[in-house]
Amino acid sequence: KQEVTQIPAALSVPEGENLVLNCSFTDSAIYNLQWFRQDPGKGLTSLLLIQSSQREQTSGRLNASLDKSSGRSTLYIAASQPGDSATYLCAHHRGSTLGRLYFGRGTQLTVWP
Amino acid sequence: NAGVMQNPRHLVRRRGQEARLRCSPMKGHSHVYWYRQLPEEGLKFMVYLQKENIIDESGMPKERFSAEFPKEGPSILRIQQVVRGDSAAYFCASSPPGGGSNEQFFGPGTRLTVL
Repeated sequence: KQEVTQIPAALSVPEGENLVLNCSFTDSAIYNLQWFRQDPGKGLTSLLLIQSSQREQTSGRLNASLDKSSGRSTLYIAASQPGDSATYLCAHHRGSTLGRLYFGRGTQLTVWP
Repeated sequence: NAGVMQNPRHLVRRRGQEARLRCSPMKGHSHVYWYRQLPEEGLKFMVYLQKENIIDESGMPKERFSAEFPKEGPSILRIQQVVRGDSAAYFCASSPPGGGSNEQFFGPGTRLTVL
């Protein structure tokens, strides 16, 4: 059974802080890993995709890293803003079952002014 | 370039009725995926389709649920004889050709409520 765990489940911080969201997975055959944000009542917005051969990806204030050997990925958010408030989800592909994504339950982030 | 489109956004059905959820992938995308998000749970994979083919339906309940992605038109997720436990948000995602490991882009979801 493939399990994806995200810690913490919820996080509340003042704006301006640098944040680290954690994602761990039990699957040794992980392929790609993708980070999303989900706003309440909305769909998922893709933030970053780390391809199988890569170790990290950066987009603006976001940086995601992937360490397959330890079964971990982290999403780093620099200089957080109230607009970053959302639920952040990590999900991975598995090498033998291309297509489906295995999701964690997410970290609910609140950034207050 | 329009994103993934889903309709309806909200759907209310009484127990025993049928629900039809539609998904139009992004332009140029030939892979479609359906996921379900139950209240207080994470997203669970249901089915992966390419045009006219079901690639992986291992996440679909064995009864009452079916999905198709015809040569022309949107992908359809069909739920027959709905029950209260089917109430959830159903999300469709699409990805471009070149294998199923590409980045997936999600639609806004259809929120199904079964009375």
